[in-house]
Amino acid sequence: GAGVSQSPRYKVAKRGQDVALRCDPISGHVSLFWYQQALGQGPEFLTYFQNEAQLDKSGLPSDRFFAERPEGSVSTLKIQRTQQEDSAVYLCASSLVAAQETQYFGPGTRLLVL
Amino acid sequence: GENVEQHPSTLSVQEGDSAVIKCTYSDSASNYFPWYKQELGKRPQLIIDIRSNVGEKKDQRIAVTLNKTAKHFSLHITETQPEDSAVYFCAASRALTFGKGTMLLVSP
Repeated sequence: GAGVSQSPRYKVAKRGQDVALRCDPISGHVSLFWYQQALGQGPEFLTYFQNEAQLDKSGLPSDRFFAERPEGSVSTLKIQRTQQEDSAVYLCASSLVAAQETQYFGPGTRLLVL
Repeated sequence: GENVEQHPSTLSVQEGDSAVIKCTYSDSASNYFPWYKQELGKRPQLIIDIRSNVGEKKDQRIAVTLNKTAKHFSLHITETQPEDSAVYFCAASRALTFGKGTMLLVSP
């Protein structure tokens, strides 16, 4: 079956622009996660949804970052007024039910802020 | 929150040798510990995971051991092959806290 997909795969933004990154989890997966992966680092947790409820957003680095999953499937991560330090790969992952299950990762969106 | 330390950051082995990567964690409530393999430019792929109710799990050439008392867990790869070369990440807990990764280089 189809895995987790993300779009766009690459995004170049000018500093100050807003961007929206999309994640399509595996169909039927309840839990969805966003991670930020800087070059040469491990993924860092941003936020977690169970269905449409955002249960944990403790990893969002600033109020410029906002995530939603209004119908409990597709999720969007929005970054307002992008800064150069936002440049990273943004990974989405989903798991079937609980958070403590296998998380399947999408290919990521590589964001470059100039 | 959880803090995960991973060592070494780089590991070079000869084909056929074993490789061991170690991680420690801080939150005694953590009870799920996956290992991911990430090739350059690719997504992380789960290779093995372990839950806190077991001390060891094995899948062919890959094994993971967990010491809850000491709060550390390790990945063991035997009979390494060049295609094992990648960055390996350990992780702990619910919303996964990842280690910084180990670049494994297997020379033929």
